[in-house]
Amino acid sequence: DIVMTQSPDSLAVSLGERATINCKSSQSVLYSSNNKKHLAWYQQKPGQPPKLLISWASTRESGVPDRFSGSGSGTDFTLTISSLQAEDVAVYYCQQYYRTPWTFGQGTKVEIK
Amino acid sequence: QVQLQESGPGLVKPSETLSLTCTVSGGSFSSGSYYWSWIRQPPGKGLEWIGYIYFSGSANYNPSLRSRVTISVDTSKNQFSLRLSSVTAADTAVFYCTRAGLRGMDVWGQGTTVTVSS
Repeated sequence: DIVMTQSPDSLAVSLGERATINCKSSQSVLYSSNNKKHLAWYQQKPGQPPKLLISWASTRESGVPDRFSGSGSGTDFTLTISSLQAEDVAVYYCQQYYRTPWTFGQGTKVEIK
Repeated sequence: QVQLQESGPGLVKPSETLSLTCTVSGGSFSSGSYYWSWIRQPPGKGLEWIGYIYFSGSANYNPSLRSRVTISVDTSKNQFSLRLSSVTAADTAVFYCTRAGLRGMDVWGQGTTVTVSS
């Protein structure tokens, strides 16, 4: 299985400040045939299902604010919230869909400082 | 807009079989572009992929659950279903059905809580 490891487990950021979440995969999730990284980011607010924020490691889904951005190489990825808003309080998960079993990181809880 | 809705018993006894159904509305269930998937989330914990099924009936399961899981599809009803046998308290979770494509899991049901208890 591809193991996804997120860091930190939680972070507290002041409103308007930057939040950075890291995700490391135990092997590359770069698919050579299409040169795309099969890595997604999800946001889960309390009592709600996860919501897809970013696919292909860096492509924002329609309607996702541009303060959310994703980046990374074949094994190391980052989700950045450039200016934290109150509504961004949530748990964030990375997930690889390069190979089954699809696997998730353990989650990073983002709170307001 | 595609919507997914899980349904099934909220309480299952230990050693019995958990059965859930996901109804797909607002879109073409038989589109060849998607995999129809189940995810679970134990209370206070992270997400675990259970498996998926293609509209043709071809399925792929998480090896950690493969011996106990069956996912089936009923295209005439726009539904796919999950069966998890020999459940224990460790199977207590919120179960989500999702649509998965080339971009990841872009549509999720609201989730249904299943408790395993006698």
